[in-house]
Amino acid sequence: GENVEQHPSTLSVQEGDSAVIKCTYSDSASNYFPWYKQELGKGPQLIIDIRSNVGEKKDQRIAVTLNKTAKHFSLHITETQPEDSAVYFCAGGGADGLTFGKGTHLIIQP
Amino acid sequence: GAGVSQTPSNKVTEKGKYVELRCDPISGHTALYWYRQSLGQGPEFLIYFQGTGAADDSGLPNDRFFAVRPEGSVSTLKIQRTERGDSAVYLCASSLGAGHPNTGELFFGEGSRLTVL
Repeated sequence: GENVEQHPSTLSVQEGDSAVIKCTYSDSASNYFPWYKQELGKGPQLIIDIRSNVGEKKDQRIAVTLNKTAKHFSLHITETQPEDSAVYFCAGGGADGLTFGKGTHLIIQP
Repeated sequence: GAGVSQTPSNKVTEKGKYVELRCDPISGHTALYWYRQSLGQGPEFLIYFQGTGAADDSGLPNDRFFAVRPEGSVSTLKIQRTERGDSAVYLCASSLGAGHPNTGELFFGEGSRLTVL
C-alpha cells in the first residue's frame, strides 16, 4: 500500500516569513495529493489539492508543488499569519485509498 | 445541519465494554468515511461507504470493529470488547464524490474522542 512520509514534524517561523512542508510517497499509481489543516479540537479541513497531471497549484498565499519523478510534493505558505498556526497533513491517493502523513505542527511566532 | 456531526464528542469507557459512535454526514453526500486518529498521528483509514454499502472495509483493525449505514445517511461505528489500544479520536468524513480513493474534498466532523480505561 501507499506510504506517506512528512517532515518536519514541527516548524516554527516568524510571522510574515514563509513556511515549507515536504512529503514523499511510495506508490507511483497515486494521482491525488490533498493538504489538510487541523486546528485544535477540530476535524481536518482541506486547504489545497493537486492532481498528478499538474506540477504546481496556487491559491492566494498557499501553493503546492508536485514532482512525480521523485515522488515528493510540498506545501508553501507565504507571508505567514497567526491564524496559520495549526497541524498540517499531506495525503496521497492510491488504489488502496487515501493515506495521510503524520502531520506538521506549524507555529507562527509573533 | 451545515456540517458533519459526530456524537458523542467524548466517550470514556471501561475495558471490555461495547461502544457506538454516530456520524451524521452532510445532506446529499453519498460517500462516508471513518478514520481513526491517534495522538500525534495522521488520520488512519478504517472504512468507506458508498450509499448503504461498505465499499471498502480493509482498514478495520479486527472483527471487534463494525460499521453500518442502513439508510445511506447516518452511520454508526461499533466497537465490541474495547481495549485500551482503541483509545483515539474517531473521525467521520463525507463527500459528494464517488469512487475510492476520493479525489474531491472530504468534509470532516470534529471527531469522537474515545478513552478506554
